Amino acid sequence: GQNIDQPTEMTATEGAIVQINCTYQTSGFNGLFWYQQHAGEAPTFLSYNVLDGLEEKGRFSSFLSRSKGYSYLLLKELQMKDSASYLCAVHTNAGKSTFGDGTTLTVKP
Amino acid sequence: DARVTQTPRHKVTEMGQEVTMRCQPILGHNTVFWYRQTMMQGLELLAYFRNRAPLDDSGMPKDRFSAEMPDATLATLKIQPSEPRDSAVYFCASVLDVGNTIYFGEGSWLTVV
Repeated sequence: GQNIDQPTEMTATEGAIVQINCTYQTSGFNGLFWYQQHAGEAPTFLSYNVLDGLEEKGRFSSFLSRSKGYSYLLLKELQMKDSASYLCAVHTNAGKSTFGDGTTLTVKP
Repeated sequence: DARVTQTPRHKVTEMGQEVTMRCQPILGHNTVFWYRQTMMQGLELLAYFRNRAPLDDSGMPKDRFSAEMPDATLATLKIQPSEPRDSAVYFCASVLDVGNTIYFGEGSWLTVV
């Protein structure tokens, strides 16, 4: 099976930087994805790592360490609209995609 | 633009009734997922198909749930009989191939009373 852990809630201030961590245990690892989900909406893709290291996309970056089973999503220059749930998802070679329970981020003025 | 389409968007039904949810994946995507999301459980994988073949439905209660993919353009999730604890948002998602981005439908919001 797959175990995916991420913090339940985080709070940060507008303009700041926040890091959301995700740890996982899986066999046949084939990539880790981060999704953003606003209340009442479907998850949307943010970032993807399959190799170790940092991937940067504008204000969002994601890091992966396969040996440690660890990833983080880094959000810079936080905006109020970044208040949402952030989901870490692990993909396997068998094509299975399992999600963590999500981290609810609240951005305060 | 290409997107995953789900019907119905909203459904309120009485306990014991049959519920069928339908999904049209993005054309050319070979893997289709059904997820259920509640406040308490987060996003749970119920079942998924690759090239229309069921690969894993271990997350699905077999006594009342069934998932099928009669053709490449249609996936169905059926609950019979429905129970109040089935109230949730059911998401269908598709992906081009292993290791690619998953695209979600807008969800079917089910309430069983």
